[in-house]
Amino acid sequence: ETGVTQSPTHLIKTRGQQVTLRCSSQSGHNTVSWYQQALGQGPQFIFQYYREEENGRGNFPPRFSGLQFPNYSSELNVNALELDDSALYLCASSLGLAGQETQYFGPGTRLLVL
Amino acid sequence: GESVGLHLPTLSVQEGDNSIINCAYSNSASDYFIWYKQESGKGPQFIIDIRSNMDKRQGQRVTVLLNKTVKHLSLQIAATQPGDSAVYFCAENIMYSGGGADGLTFGKGTHLIIQP
Repeated sequence: ETGVTQSPTHLIKTRGQQVTLRCSSQSGHNTVSWYQQALGQGPQFIFQYYREEENGRGNFPPRFSGLQFPNYSSELNVNALELDDSALYLCASSLGLAGQETQYFGPGTRLLVL
Repeated sequence: GESVGLHLPTLSVQEGDNSIINCAYSNSASDYFIWYKQESGKGPQFIIDIRSNMDKRQGQRVTVLLNKTVKHLSLQIAATQPGDSAVYFCAENIMYSGGGADGLTFGKGTHLIIQP
């Protein structure tokens, strides 16, 4: 186990609703990255938080937003949910910025949008 | 589109044999490469990484080879065991991109199946 935890494990929402997913990073890790993994695909980078600020973003619309807290835990918020948002959402933590330090993944939150 | 891809979606090997999983990448600026293993219902698990100043790195039963000339990465698993059954992803990144982080770019993955 990596020490990265995510909650909830599963979630069902309806189109148009909002959702908040949570991640606790591995002890000592100050960087959290979020990824979306559609069924049968590799994870896609959403954004990264370093020292409580967004530091890099993938090709996702503004309705995907996040926060990082002083204890380095993080939230991913998705507004106006669409059916295509159904996916496994993965959080990864690292000692430093992506690319410079190894990222360790949590178990993910499975989101289903109906 | 994705800059990292895998040659085979499924690889079937006999238990005890060696497995070789291949990966091609297209971003010549990438300088950090990682292999992850993902079992059903779990998050990706770090296996081994390699930076572009190396062409080979060994771990426990695993070896990663990097050929920058042809932009090719491979993962070799020695004496494959039933517990090695999973989807394997290669991922790439740029260590110092000069701006915000880009995150890891993953390929679609190779499903490794171990035959008894």
